[in-house]
Amino acid sequence: AQKITQTQPGMFVQEKEAVTLDCTYDTSDPSYGLFWYKQPSSGEMIFLIYQGSYDQQNATEGRYSLNFQKARKSANLVISASQLGDSAMYFCAMIKAAGNKLTFGGGTRVLVKP
Amino acid sequence: EAGVVQSPRYKIIEKKQPVAFWCNPISGHNTLYWYLQNLGQGPELLIRYENEEAVDDSQLPKDRFSAERLKGVDSTLKIQPAELGDSAVYLCASSSGTDSYNEQFFGPGTRLTVL
Repeated sequence: AQKITQTQPGMFVQEKEAVTLDCTYDTSDPSYGLFWYKQPSSGEMIFLIYQGSYDQQNATEGRYSLNFQKARKSANLVISASQLGDSAMYFCAMIKAAGNKLTFGGGTRVLVKP
Repeated sequence: EAGVVQSPRYKIIEKKQPVAFWCNPISGHNTLYWYLQNLGQGPELLIRYENEEAVDDSQLPKDRFSAERLKGVDSTLKIQPAELGDSAVYLCASSSGTDSYNEQFFGPGTRLTVL
């Protein structure tokens, strides 16, 4: 069975600083995908970044980058130059090659301080 | 382009009452998902549709929950009768194609409170 673990329930970060959100996963499948979603207080899940298990390079999307360490089964999200609008819940999720089921972690709440 | 639309956004009912949630996916997206999100937790898949066929409903509590997507577009999720423990946010998502790596786009969710 798949399992996603986010060990940080909540974090404070100073505006303009970088923050790293931890995510570890457990799967025996060689082919899988890893996602990060942002969920602001409005409730909508917003896609941030995707990393495939066979991708050679770490994914980047603007201020978001994914530190993918396959051997350690970790997929940490790095947000650079934090903005007040980054305050939200952040979820790590994994999908197997077979089937479209996303398995989510428990989330990390980020609060950006001015 | 419009995103995934869900209604209602909020619903308060008494236990044992029925309730229904509606979802309109992004135009052209043939895959539709219903997720349950309990407070402080990540979403969990309830059911996945490919067009009008439910291809994964293993996590749907079929004694009280039902879903349909009759024409392969809009979908309705129903609970009858609702229990106190059903209080949660119900998220609908859609994606294009059948590739499992296609991004899932989520709606704003329906927050259900059962009293």
